Amino acid sequence: QSVLTQPPSVSGAPGQRVTISCTGSNSNIGAGYSAHWYQQLPGTAPKLLIYGNTNRPSGVPDRFSGSKSGTSASLAITGLQAEDEADYYCQSYDSSLSWVFGGGTKLTVL
Amino acid sequence: QVQLQESGPGLVKPSETLSLTCTVSGGSISTYFWSWIRQPPGKGLEWIGYTYYSGSATYNPSLKSRVTISVATSKNQFSLKLRSVTAADTAVYFCARAGDILEFDLWGQGTLVTVSS
Repeated sequence: QSVLTQPPSVSGAPGQRVTISCTGSNSNIGAGYSAHWYQQLPGTAPKLLIYGNTNRPSGVPDRFSGSKSGTSASLAITGLQAEDEADYYCQSYDSSLSWVFGGGTKLTVL
Repeated sequence: QVQLQESGPGLVKPSETLSLTCTVSGGSISTYFWSWIRQPPGKGLEWIGYTYYSGSATYNPSLKSRVTISVATSKNQFSLKLRSVTAADTAVYFCARAGDILEFDLWGQGTLVTVSS
């Protein structure tokens, strides 16, 4: 059982908007530690998608955006494309456990 | 451009010690936090531990009794040792760099380690 809770799966049609939630607690996201998001394509290493709750590294399309509220964070993907089909993970820092990940969410593009 | 590369045996026998090394190229290891993360087949990511160039290290409490992470600054490398392995330790092992706000901004490609006799 992961410290950060994500839905196991989400889906959407091309062009639609999907969101993925990440629920933490007062010892991680709620304590002020940033939430970060990763995209993992099959057979590859995770790639940093969003850092510091809302920031995109260079090269990440602005279709991807992040937000944080209280003990939770969210990843939104607009204008869904077939190439977005992947696993998505949230990550934060926990005052007791150090680095922690969500269980991952599989995005299916219908 | 900084790159990370894992190396080590792909097969380890039960009860033995898993040993991996991560080589940092294109930049110095003498800054940032350097971590090991693993992913069992078909499952999610699990943080194993980190080290700093000073040699200090912190581990996931669930693995702490079996893990040692060390750094060799002269070689620009850091290493993982996981003792008394079982089949449950079969996973792809990634090395990664943690940035200023504790995000993993750089990853190695990962290496599959299978625990089997």
